[in-house]
Amino acid sequence: KAGVTQTPRYLIKTRGQQVTLSCSPISGHRSVSWYQQTPGQGLQFLFEYFSETQRNKGNFPGRFSGRQFSNSRSEMNVSTLELGDSALYLCASSIQGGGTEAFFGQGTRLTVV
Amino acid sequence: GESVGLHLPTLSVQEGDNSIINCAYSNSASDYFIWYKQESGKGPQFIIDIRSNMDKRQGQRVTVLLNKTVKHLSLQIAATQPGDSAVYFCAESLGGNKLTFGGGTRVLVKP
Repeated sequence: KAGVTQTPRYLIKTRGQQVTLSCSPISGHRSVSWYQQTPGQGLQFLFEYFSETQRNKGNFPGRFSGRQFSNSRSEMNVSTLELGDSALYLCASSIQGGGTEAFFGQGTRLTVV
Repeated sequence: GESVGLHLPTLSVQEGDNSIINCAYSNSASDYFIWYKQESGKGPQFIIDIRSNMDKRQGQRVTVLLNKTVKHLSLQIAATQPGDSAVYFCAESLGGNKLTFGGGTRVLVKP
């Protein structure tokens, strides 16, 4: 079965712009989590959605937001981009969360210039 | 490929030898732990998991050990192969699906 699909794979944006990233989870998975990966900070949790509701949230500013649709696909949005937002954004899906295997997509590499 | 960490601890191991990767986790209340492998340009790949009511779990060529007393997790890879070269992350969870990741260890397999 297909894995977690993230689009686009690469993105270049200018400071001040906004960006929307997309994640399609594995079929049947209802939980989608987002992570930011940078060389300096490593992998950091952004938020988790389950059945269209945000269930957990990390320590990121309000410029980072997300949503989940009824088909479990998720999007995350970053507004007013800053240079420090340049990172690999990873999406992980699991059947229901709560201590079950989470499978990651290939990520979206965002570069802010 | 993309760098996942510029100053990661590195474990160099001879092909065919066993590897042991260590991880100290932060929250004594964490009840679920996972090891991931990340190759350059790819997302983390699930290797093995363990719950806090266990102290050992084995998979194919891999074993995870959990010592809750000292909050320590280790991943053992038997007969390390060139394809095992990657960055390895441990992650902990306190219920829900919020994973807290360790900083990662780079494993280099020498032929």
